[in-house]
Amino acid sequence: GAGVSQSPSNKVTEKGKDVELRCDPISGHTALYWYRQSLGQGLEFLIYFQGNSAPDKSGLPSDRFSAERTGGSVSTLTIQRTQQEDSAVYLCASSLSFVYEGAHTEAFFGQGTRLTVV
Amino acid sequence: QKEVEQNSGPLSVPEGAIASLNCTYSDRVSQSFFWYRQYSGKSPELIMSIYSNGDKEDGRFTAQLNKASQYVSLLIRDSQPSDSATYLCAVNFWFGNEKLTFGTGTRLTIIP
Repeated sequence: GAGVSQSPSNKVTEKGKDVELRCDPISGHTALYWYRQSLGQGLEFLIYFQGNSAPDKSGLPSDRFSAERTGGSVSTLTIQRTQQEDSAVYLCASSLSFVYEGAHTEAFFGQGTRLTVV
Repeated sequence: QKEVEQNSGPLSVPEGAIASLNCTYSDRVSQSFFWYRQYSGKSPELIMSIYSNGDKEDGRFTAQLNKASQYVSLLIRDSQPSDSATYLCAVNFWFGNEKLTFGTGTRLTIIP
């Protein structure tokens, strides 16, 4: 596609329910990031997928959070047993891989999913 | 220790003046540097990328990179109220397949 696409744009869920957020990266981009941004705060790194390498999960805040990337393209972020503190905007970004000096690895962001846990 | 640091601001600049935003990064092999602009309630938008020492100009924006001193800056000339936003610095540290690392952002306000 022309850009990074995220769905849904907005999600309201009840505390304790599971949610799935989807990210469709730019075609050909092998790197994919998930970030979380609470109101008025900076970007909080969650997870990074790079080609066929094991994902960098160092930013996942708890074991209720997981993500997968199928076929090196679409990614799904799953939050189990949602809590009110999970309310935030979840942003996905994709880029080319940094495999040679001078590689253009600009990351482009989707429009985000605003998650509200009530 | 943070790897990419920015002054959180807020930075207030009169309309028409030059806004100067700075970013420092830790002592690691780094290759790619980016500036993003984020309006309130919107996603970050890439506005500049720079890969080698020196200046890179694009319209009213100039990115400056000094690898020896480990800083990258963004200058906005003839600042406009529409430039009011949070500016995020991002660095690709190269040690294998390193992820993009963001600073916490500087909030810029252009005063009419």
